[in-house]
Amino acid sequence: AQSVTQLDSQVPVFEEAPVELRCNYSSSVSVYLFWYVQYPNQGLQLLLKYLSGSTLVESINGFEAEFNKSQTSFHLRKPSVHISDTAEYFCAVSHDTGRRALTFGSGTRLQVQP
Amino acid sequence: EAGVAQSPRYKIIEKRQSVAFWCNPISGHATLYWYQQILGQGPKLLIQFQNNGVVDDSQLPKDRFSAERLKGVDSTLKIQPAKLEDSAVYLCASSLAPREQFFGPGTRLTVL
Repeated sequence: AQSVTQLDSQVPVFEEAPVELRCNYSSSVSVYLFWYVQYPNQGLQLLLKYLSGSTLVESINGFEAEFNKSQTSFHLRKPSVHISDTAEYFCAVSHDTGRRALTFGSGTRLQVQP
Repeated sequence: EAGVAQSPRYKIIEKRQSVAFWCNPISGHATLYWYQQILGQGPKLLIQFQNNGVVDDSQLPKDRFSAERLKGVDSTLKIQPAKLEDSAVYLCASSLAPREQFFGPGTRLTVL
Protein backbone atom coordinates (compact mmCIF):
# COMPACT_ATOMS: atom_id res chain seq x y z
CA ALA A 1 0.00 0.00 0.00
CA GLN A 2 1.09 3.56 -0.56
CA SER A 3 0.01 6.88 0.93
CA VAL A 4 0.66 10.58 0.46
CA THR A 5 0.67 13.27 3.13
CA GLN A 6 0.41 16.94 2.32
CA LEU A 7 1.23 18.66 5.54
CA ASP A 8 -0.41 22.01 4.84
CA SER A 9 -4.06 22.32 3.86
CA GLN A 10 -3.69 26.04 3.09
CA VAL A 11 -0.71 28.23 2.33
CA PRO A 12 -1.29 31.98 2.13
CA VAL A 13 1.55 33.95 0.54
CA PHE A 14 2.07 37.40 -0.90
CA GLU A 15 2.70 37.93 -4.58
CA GLU A 16 6.38 37.66 -5.61
CA ALA A 17 7.25 35.79 -2.41
CA PRO A 18 8.75 32.28 -2.48
CA VAL A 19 6.62 29.28 -1.57
CA GLU A 20 7.11 25.63 -0.66
CA LEU A 21 4.30 23.06 -0.63
CA ARG A 22 5.27 19.97 1.28
CA CYS A 23 4.60 16.37 0.27
CA ASN A 24 5.69 13.14 1.91
CA TYR A 25 4.90 9.67 0.70
CA SER A 26 5.01 6.13 1.95
CA SER A 27 5.53 3.09 -0.26
CA SER A 28 7.18 -0.30 -0.03
CA VAL A 29 8.18 -0.26 -3.72
CA SER A 30 9.69 2.19 -6.18
CA VAL A 31 7.36 4.98 -7.20
CA TYR A 32 6.67 7.71 -9.69
CA LEU A 33 5.80 11.09 -8.18
CA PHE A 34 3.57 13.83 -9.53
CA TRP A 35 2.26 17.27 -8.75
CA TYR A 36 -1.12 18.23 -10.21
CA VAL A 37 -2.80 21.64 -10.10
CA GLN A 38 -6.54 22.22 -10.03
CA TYR A 39 -8.05 25.62 -10.79
CA PRO A 40 -11.62 26.31 -9.66
CA ASN A 41 -14.22 24.24 -11.50
CA GLN A 42 -11.60 22.59 -13.65
CA GLY A 43 -10.01 19.18 -13.88
CA LEU A 44 -6.51 18.27 -12.78
CA GLN A 45 -3.55 19.40 -14.84
CA LEU A 46 -0.13 17.81 -14.57
CA LEU A 47 2.40 20.31 -13.26
CA LEU A 48 5.50 18.11 -13.11
CA LYS A 49 6.61 14.54 -12.58
CA TYR A 50 9.52 12.49 -11.35
CA LEU A 51 10.02 9.16 -13.06
CA SER A 52 13.77 8.55 -12.81
CA GLY A 53 17.08 10.29 -13.34
CA SER A 54 17.70 13.78 -11.99
CA THR A 55 16.00 14.29 -8.66
CA LEU A 56 15.19 17.93 -9.48
CA VAL A 57 12.34 18.39 -11.94
CA GLU A 58 11.00 21.64 -13.31
CA SER A 59 7.80 22.86 -14.91
CA ILE A 60 7.44 25.40 -17.68
CA ASN A 61 5.88 28.00 -15.36
CA GLY A 62 8.64 28.24 -12.80
CA PHE A 63 7.74 25.50 -10.33
CA GLU A 64 10.26 22.85 -9.33
CA ALA A 65 10.21 19.79 -7.11
CA GLU A 66 12.98 17.67 -5.67
CA PHE A 67 12.72 13.96 -5.04
CA ASN A 68 14.40 13.02 -1.76
CA LYS A 69 14.38 9.27 -1.38
CA SER A 70 15.88 9.19 2.10
CA GLN A 71 13.25 11.56 3.44
CA THR A 72 10.50 10.17 1.17
CA SER A 73 9.58 13.70 0.15
CA PHE A 74 8.70 15.53 -3.05
CA HIS A 75 8.26 19.17 -2.03
CA LEU A 76 7.10 21.73 -4.59
CA ARG A 77 8.76 25.15 -4.72
CA LYS A 78 8.53 28.39 -6.62
CA PRO A 79 10.89 31.32 -5.99
CA SER A 80 8.34 34.01 -6.86
CA VAL A 81 4.58 33.40 -7.06
CA HIS A 82 1.95 35.22 -9.09
CA ILE A 83 -1.71 35.85 -8.41
CA SER A 84 -2.48 33.37 -11.18
CA ASP A 85 -0.82 30.57 -9.19
CA THR A 86 -3.77 30.59 -6.78
CA ALA A 87 -5.15 27.06 -7.01
CA GLU A 88 -5.31 23.67 -5.28
CA TYR A 89 -2.16 21.58 -5.60
CA PHE A 90 -2.17 17.80 -5.27
CA CYS A 91 0.80 15.53 -4.76
CA ALA A 92 0.36 11.99 -6.08
CA VAL A 93 2.28 8.74 -6.24
CA SER A 94 2.03 5.60 -8.32
CA HIS A 95 3.97 2.37 -8.45
CA ASP A 96 6.53 2.23 -11.23
CA THR A 97 5.20 -1.20 -12.20
CA GLY A 98 1.85 -2.91 -12.10
CA ARG A 99 -1.45 -1.09 -12.00
CA ARG A 100 -0.07 2.44 -11.67
CA ALA A 101 -3.23 4.14 -10.48
CA LEU A 102 -2.52 7.38 -8.65
CA THR A 103 -2.79 7.79 -4.89
CA PHE A 104 -3.36 11.45 -4.07
CA GLY A 105 -2.72 13.58 -1.04
CA SER A 106 -5.51 15.71 0.39
CA GLY A 107 -4.33 18.83 -1.39
CA THR A 108 -2.87 22.23 -0.48
CA ARG A 109 -4.70 25.41 -1.32
CA LEU A 110 -2.22 28.08 -2.38
CA GLN A 111 -3.67 31.55 -1.87
CA VAL A 112 -1.56 34.30 -3.42
CA GLN A 113 -2.41 37.75 -2.09
CA PRO A 114 -1.49 41.07 -3.73
CA GLU B 1 -5.32 16.73 -29.76
CA ALA B 2 -8.69 16.58 -28.04
CA GLY B 3 -8.65 16.02 -24.30
CA VAL B 4 -10.72 13.73 -22.11
CA ALA B 5 -14.40 14.56 -22.47
CA GLN B 6 -16.98 14.08 -19.73
CA SER B 7 -20.68 14.70 -19.50
CA PRO B 8 -22.72 16.02 -17.92
CA ARG B 9 -20.67 18.67 -16.14
CA TYR B 10 -23.20 19.07 -13.37
CA LYS B 11 -25.97 16.86 -12.04
CA ILE B 12 -28.39 17.29 -9.16
CA ILE B 13 -30.52 14.35 -8.05
CA GLU B 14 -32.56 13.21 -5.09
CA LYS B 15 -31.25 10.42 -2.89
CA ARG B 16 -32.24 6.94 -4.03
CA GLN B 17 -32.36 8.08 -7.65
CA SER B 18 -29.96 6.71 -10.25
CA VAL B 19 -27.42 8.65 -12.31
CA ALA B 20 -24.91 7.90 -15.05
CA PHE B 21 -21.77 9.67 -16.14
CA TRP B 22 -20.04 9.36 -19.49
CA CYS B 23 -16.36 9.60 -20.39
CA ASN B 24 -14.61 9.68 -23.75
CA PRO B 25 -10.86 9.25 -23.33
CA ILE B 26 -8.12 10.61 -25.54
CA SER B 27 -7.99 8.64 -28.76
CA GLY B 28 -5.69 5.63 -28.51
CA HIS B 29 -5.42 5.64 -24.73
CA ALA B 30 -5.81 2.06 -23.55
CA THR B 31 -6.07 2.79 -19.84
CA LEU B 32 -9.05 4.60 -18.34
CA TYR B 33 -9.63 5.57 -14.72
CA TRP B 34 -12.59 6.85 -12.71
CA TYR B 35 -11.82 8.84 -9.56
CA GLN B 36 -14.14 10.25 -6.91
CA GLN B 37 -13.17 13.60 -5.39
CA ILE B 38 -15.12 14.57 -2.29
CA LEU B 39 -14.98 18.24 -1.34
CA GLY B 40 -11.78 19.03 0.53
CA GLN B 41 -10.11 15.72 -0.32
CA GLY B 42 -7.83 14.37 -3.00
CA PRO B 43 -9.24 12.16 -5.75
CA LYS B 44 -9.68 8.49 -4.90
CA LEU B 45 -9.57 5.73 -7.49
CA LEU B 46 -12.86 3.93 -8.07
CA ILE B 47 -11.99 1.74 -11.03
CA GLN B 48 -9.28 1.22 -13.62
CA PHE B 49 -9.78 -0.29 -17.08
CA GLN B 50 -7.17 -1.62 -19.47
CA ASN B 51 -8.90 -1.65 -22.86
CA ASN B 52 -12.31 -3.09 -21.92
CA GLY B 53 -11.12 -5.21 -19.00
CA VAL B 54 -11.18 -4.22 -15.33
CA VAL B 55 -7.72 -3.97 -13.75
CA ASP B 56 -8.68 -2.67 -10.32
CA ASP B 57 -12.12 -2.10 -8.80
CA SER B 58 -11.21 -2.82 -5.20
CA GLN B 59 -12.48 0.58 -3.99
CA LEU B 60 -15.70 0.62 -6.02
CA PRO B 61 -18.82 0.27 -3.81
CA LYS B 62 -20.23 -2.51 -5.92
CA ASP B 63 -23.59 -2.60 -4.17
CA ARG B 64 -24.47 0.72 -5.80
CA PHE B 65 -21.75 1.66 -8.29
CA SER B 66 -21.12 0.00 -11.64
CA ALA B 67 -18.92 0.89 -14.58
CA GLU B 68 -18.31 -0.43 -18.05
CA ARG B 69 -16.09 0.35 -20.97
CA LEU B 70 -17.56 -0.88 -24.19
CA LYS B 71 -15.18 -1.70 -27.04
CA GLY B 72 -12.29 -0.31 -25.03
CA VAL B 73 -13.16 3.33 -25.76
CA ASP B 74 -15.98 5.23 -24.01
CA SER B 75 -16.93 4.45 -20.44
CA THR B 76 -19.97 4.99 -18.24
CA LEU B 77 -20.13 5.08 -14.45
CA LYS B 78 -23.51 4.50 -12.82
CA ILE B 79 -24.78 4.98 -9.30
CA GLN B 80 -28.00 3.26 -8.28
CA PRO B 81 -29.39 4.17 -5.80
CA ALA B 82 -27.52 7.35 -4.88
CA LYS B 83 -26.80 8.34 -1.30
CA LEU B 84 -26.08 11.74 0.18
CA GLU B 85 -22.42 10.80 0.66
CA ASP B 86 -22.03 10.24 -3.08
CA SER B 87 -22.00 14.01 -3.58
CA ALA B 88 -18.61 14.61 -5.17
CA VAL B 89 -16.80 15.38 -8.39
CA TYR B 90 -16.30 12.32 -10.57
CA LEU B 91 -13.14 12.55 -12.62
CA CYS B 92 -12.25 10.45 -15.62
CA ALA B 93 -8.63 10.09 -16.72
CA SER B 94 -6.86 8.21 -19.48
CA SER B 95 -3.29 7.27 -20.25
CA LEU B 96 -1.31 5.85 -23.12
CA ALA B 97 1.89 5.12 -21.31
CA PRO B 98 1.82 4.34 -17.59
CA ARG B 99 3.66 7.53 -16.76
CA GLU B 100 1.08 10.27 -17.14
CA GLN B 101 -2.68 10.48 -16.76
CA PHE B 102 -4.78 13.11 -18.48
CA PHE B 103 -7.88 14.23 -16.65
CA GLY B 104 -11.24 15.40 -17.89
CA PRO B 105 -13.10 18.40 -16.39
CA GLY B 106 -15.17 16.18 -14.11
CA THR B 107 -18.86 15.82 -13.32
CA ARG B 108 -20.06 17.52 -10.17
CA LEU B 109 -22.81 15.44 -8.54
CA THR B 110 -25.05 16.84 -5.84
CA VAL B 111 -27.35 14.40 -4.05
CA LEU B 112 -30.18 16.07 -2.10
